[in-house]
Amino acid sequence: GAGVSQSPSNKVTEKGKDVELRCDPISGHTALYWYRQSLGQGLEFLIYFQGNSAPDKSGLPSDRFSAERTGGSVSTLTIQRTQQEDSAVYLCASSSTTGNTIYFGEGSWLTVV
Amino acid sequence: DQQVKQNSPSLSVQEGRISILNCDYTNSMFDYFLWYKKYPAEGPTFLISISSIKDKNEDGRFTVFLNKSAKHLSLHIVPSQPGDSAVYFCAASDSGTYKYIFGTGTRLKVLA
Repeated sequence: GAGVSQSPSNKVTEKGKDVELRCDPISGHTALYWYRQSLGQGLEFLIYFQGNSAPDKSGLPSDRFSAERTGGSVSTLTIQRTQQEDSAVYLCASSSTTGNTIYFGEGSWLTVV
Repeated sequence: DQQVKQNSPSLSVQEGRISILNCDYTNSMFDYFLWYKKYPAEGPTFLISISSIKDKNEDGRFTVFLNKSAKHLSLHIVPSQPGDSAVYFCAASDSGTYKYIFGTGTRLKVLA
């Protein structure tokens, strides 16, 4: 596609359930980022994939959070045993190896009730 | 540890005047900086960037200034327009990793 695609756009889940959020980056982009924006907060770095290198997971808030990137393209962010404080918009972005600009998707809005 | 800070959570400016949005960083390894604009319910969109080899970059109504010694950058919008009303984020990285750290954002309101 022309841009970064994220799904689902909205997700309401019950506390304790697992959720998966998907990101399809711009074709050819080797770098992929996940960020989170909680209500009234800034963009919080979660995880960063660059090519075949080991991902930088330093921003994941707890071991309930994990992410994979299969085949160097699509990424899935998984949140296990969701808590109410996980409610936020989860933003995915991608960039090329030579480009310095990162391009964001529209985000996945997660509400944990 | 907030490596990128935007100390003004909000700013109101009259239409036609200059908007100045500020950003400070603490990591001296940061050498590439981006500014993004975000409307409600949308993803952030790229505005302008600057590398540490420059102290100014201009694109139309948008100019970014970088003061490396002060670890400070600012985004100037002139003239400001009502459509500029949004949340503005600065981001910084080192060119070795391109791991971008974002500030907390400044909500700009341009009054007609």
